[in-house]
Amino acid sequence: GQQLNQSPQSMFIQEGEDVSMNCTSSSIFNTWLWYKQDPGEGPVLLIALYKAGELTSNGRLTAQFGITRKDSFLNISASIPSDVGIYFCAALPPAADALNFGKGTSLLVTP
Amino acid sequence: NAGVMQNPRHLVRRRGQEARLRCSPMKGHSHVYWYRQLPEEGLKFMVYLQKENIIDESGMPKERFSAEFPKEGPSILRIQQVVRGDSAAYFCASWRSGYQETQYFGPGTRLLVL
Repeated sequence: GQQLNQSPQSMFIQEGEDVSMNCTSSSIFNTWLWYKQDPGEGPVLLIALYKAGELTSNGRLTAQFGITRKDSFLNISASIPSDVGIYFCAALPPAADALNFGKGTSLLVTP
Repeated sequence: NAGVMQNPRHLVRRRGQEARLRCSPMKGHSHVYWYRQLPEEGLKFMVYLQKENIIDESGMPKERFSAEFPKEGPSILRIQQVVRGDSAAYFCASWRSGYQETQYFGPGTRLLVL
């Protein structure tokens, strides 16, 4: 499948700081999704993006579908301790059935 | 996790035994995906099924692994003669045909092969 390069691999920040992570690829995609996974649980959908250039917010989270269709970013504003977890980007290639996943960004937030 | 159910949540098997993992999709969803996650890794696609049909099994190992989604009942991922390398978290996701492509995941089954 088409590889998604997710960065950074991990982040260690203080409560109240803003966070930014992104995924890039050499391939184009029709859909970008951002998930959060807590230890021992399945991924939970945070934001879904379906059109190039689309910018969508969900509370303190904002994500954008890159205009080239090859990248996406996720921002978290004013982080809080419960934001701790692993964040995954996922994308659906054209005419494909299954999502490709990035390797995740591990976020740690200190009070 | 939006109503996708998986069981068991944890499964321990000895090498050579069989593992059966079950997934019940969200109500109204007729498409099921299985993914495998190794420690420190993202999810890797294994197989995509509709009711009574395997649509895409390109991510599934050719031997020992099989999947089904019968007309009635849950989807089953079956691993025969398990080996230590099969130890992983296995996630099921579902979505509803005709909607924008958004997959909702179950809580996963953690398989440990001793």
